[in-house]
This record gives sequence, C-alpha cells and structure tokens, in this order.
Amino acid sequence: EIVLTQSPATLSLSPGERATLSCRASQSIRSYLAWYQQKPGQAPRLLIYDASNRATGIPARFSGSGSGTDFTLTISSLEPEDFAVYYCQQRSSWPPVTFGPGTKVDIK
Amino acid sequence: EVQLLESGGGLVQPGGSLRLSCAASGFTFSTYVMSWVRQAPGKGLEWVSSISGSGGTTYYVDSVKGRFTISRDNSKNALYLQMSSLRAEDTAVYYCAKDLGGIIYDFWGLGTLVTVSS
Repeated sequence: EIVLTQSPATLSLSPGERATLSCRASQSIRSYLAWYQQKPGQAPRLLIYDASNRATGIPARFSGSGSGTDFTLTISSLEPEDFAVYYCQQRSSWPPVTFGPGTKVDIK
Repeated sequence: EVQLLESGGGLVQPGGSLRLSCAASGFTFSTYVMSWVRQAPGKGLEWVSSISGSGGTTYYVDSVKGRFTISRDNSKNALYLQMSSLRAEDTAVYYCAKDLGGIIYDFWGLGTLVTVSS
C-alpha cells in the first residue's frame, strides 16, 4: 500500500499570501497524484490531477507540480474562499486508492 | 449537469446492516467507474470500494472485504453499497464519487451519514 504524507498539518496564512502544500509518497507514483479541496460540511472538490493538470473550472492561482515521490500544491495568492482542507490522492498503484491525511489552510 | 445524490444512511446497531444508494444523473452512467469514499467524523478521506462501468469488476479496501458489497444498476443510473456486520469504526459520511478516468474523482455527492452505535 502506498502511504501519502502531507505537510504541514496546518498552514496559517493571510489572504493574498502564497500557500505551498507538500505531499510525499512512500514510493514512486510517477505523476499519478490528485489534489482535492474540502470545506466544512461540503464534499471534496477536484483541483488538480496527474500532478499538474487543473480540473475544469479551477482558477489559475492553483497549480501543482512534482513527480515520483514529492509533490507540491501552490496557491499563488490566497482568496478568502481558499481557506479549507486539502488532500492529495494517488492512483498509481491500487487497490487500495490512498489519500493523504490533509493540510488545513486557515486564516492567520 | 452531473448530480450524485446519496441516500440510505442512518443509525444502526453494531452487527447490523444498511444499504446505501446513489442516484446519478447528467452523464452516461454506464461508461464510468464509480466509487464509495468515506470520512469518519473529524477525520480524512478513506476509499472504500470501486466498481467498473459494467459492474463486472469490483474492488474493496481490506477493512470492508467480506462485509460490504458494491453494485450498480445501469438501467436505473444507480450505485449501491450493501453494508453488513457493521462496526463502530464504519461510522462515517459515505460519499458516492464519479471517476473522470483512471481513479480521479471529478464529481462527488453530498454524502450520507452512517452511525454505528448501540
């Protein structure tokens, strides 16, 4: 089973600041990584797939990078609606499909 | 517009059974792999099960193998999860998720809460 770890657990930033979230896989997953955003009481929303491809309707301030075992989600300038929990997910080797534990981006 | 609407959650005693349903619309249901993903209260996301478009191939996380059964009725655009021998650790919001292609979840339902407690 491929284990994903995310860091930091919590990121406290102000609107307008840049957010950099990390996801690390226990073994190479090539570029088969997705990022999801989840707000309280809502379902997750797909942001990025295959490490760097933005999903339909996702603003350009969200970008993803990385391959192998190390991946990054960057939000270039935080908007008020971006404060949420972010999960990474791998599809390189499944079952099982695995998710990271999440990074909470909260308002400083 | 893609819509996924889960139903069937509720309070059940340990050892009991429950059947979740997911009504899908806005896309050609039979073409896509569908999955169930759950989230325990205050916790992260956990993949539970997936089923191929035809329904002929199914996958499960180890913790539910032998207890849960995923199925679909393509004539009704419906996905199901039959859960039995339920345990307290199965308590979670259960989401139905559509696959973009290759286990990328592009649409999610609102979820249905399953509480296993005496």
